[in-house]
Amino acid sequence: QVQLQESGPGLVRSSETLSLTCAVSGYSIRSGYYWGWIRQPPEKGLEWIGSIYHTGNTNYNPSLKSRVTISVDTSKNQFSLRLSSVTAADAAVYYCARKGSCSGGRCSFDYWGQGTLVTVSS
Amino acid sequence: EIVMTQSPATLSVSPGERATLSCRARQSVSSDLAWYQQKPGQAPRLLIYDASTRATGIPARFSGSGSGTEFTLTISTLQSEDFAAYYCQQYNTGPYTFGQGTKLEIK
Repeated sequence: QVQLQESGPGLVRSSETLSLTCAVSGYSIRSGYYWGWIRQPPEKGLEWIGSIYHTGNTNYNPSLKSRVTISVDTSKNQFSLRLSSVTAADAAVYYCARKGSCSGGRCSFDYWGQGTLVTVSS
Repeated sequence: EIVMTQSPATLSVSPGERATLSCRARQSVSSDLAWYQQKPGQAPRLLIYDASTRATGIPARFSGSGSGTEFTLTISTLQSEDFAAYYCQQYNTGPYTFGQGTKLEIK
């Protein structure tokens, strides 16, 4: 069974960098698929942040691209998110997920972590 | 980016009845459309992908249809555990975008 688990600080100061890690179990990242980050502000909808392949190939949401870095560590079977210069608008539950139910190379998010709440303080 | 619009925002239905949720894309996404269910305090759960394929373990009362710009999620006989928020998502073209959600509530 594929499982994902987010970890990282729940509180980040405004203007600083948010850093989260997603540990994957039950599946080797080296085996394939893209792995992504999605966030959800309180009482709001879902926003895709970006995704990464085990080779390190990434794609990002243009609305966040200038501030986002997603990296992968295949030796630890995990991937990470860094979001710089955070503001109150970045406060959200952050989810990691696998893009794994695919057709023609285009995939939905089939496994999700439980999510981690990040609050931004001033 | 491709804007996804869901309707209605809130749907009130009695248990045992049928629920029909809609999702519209501003431009064609072919069949690259997924539906997710989200309960309070939980992560989204994949229900349907490729517009009409049920994900592993999803009951047959959930069905999806449509292609291009118009999509529908139907829950044939509502069970108590089905009352939740539902989101559609296109994965045809980046950035991958979600609808704003439909809250399915008990009537």
